[in-house]
Amino acid sequence: EAEVAQSPRYKITEKSQAVAFWCDPISGHATLYWYRQILGQGPELLVQFQDESVVDDSQLPKDRFSAERLKGVDSTLKIQPAELGDSAMYLCASSFGSGLGRETQYFGPGTRLLVL
Amino acid sequence: GDSVTQMEGPVTLSEEAFLTINCTYTATGYPSLFWYVQYPGEGLQLLLKATKADDKGSNKGFEATYRKETTSFHLEKGSVQVSDSAVYFCALSEAGGGNKLTFGTGTQLKVEL
Repeated sequence: EAEVAQSPRYKITEKSQAVAFWCDPISGHATLYWYRQILGQGPELLVQFQDESVVDDSQLPKDRFSAERLKGVDSTLKIQPAELGDSAMYLCASSFGSGLGRETQYFGPGTRLLVL
Repeated sequence: GDSVTQMEGPVTLSEEAFLTINCTYTATGYPSLFWYVQYPGEGLQLLLKATKADDKGSNKGFEATYRKETTSFHLEKGSVQVSDSAVYFCALSEAGGGNKLTFGTGTQLKVEL
């Protein structure tokens, strides 16, 4: 069964350092999502891509976060500089599209970030 | 804006007990509704979904019915097992909203022998 791949699984960094997370969606999935899940809460969408284009980044803290999906396949989420409040699980998900019947999102295992 | 409210946990049950986890939602249109499950240290797995009123989603013995009149999507299982211990998230995606998922805060289920 095809899965969403993410790396690394765990990352410990010091505040003010730069960190990057990688996601490889299920083959053929045009839509890719990055969510942030703070401990004890539900995930919140940071950014959504349709192929290589950003379609929603309204909740992305753009002063420190950036995301790209250059060839419309895998994606990288970067934080620079990291702050203590960025400690969370970062989840990547993908779906065939966004229309009815194509909208189901499949999640990767996540990257757990700890900022010291 | 859209929101999802779940019953607070943890919910602790004995094996073979009946499970209900309540979920209600607020949305401006006609959303699709989902239940996701998260096992310790893992990402989210889709458990079931329903895309229109009165639809019933089901999987692995779990069921939930889309009730538009009460804006609810309660999760039920007739007989839980220890292996069902996990955190359960109710979520919605708004039609025309670009497929963004709005999640509840999650309900932790602990099943004991």
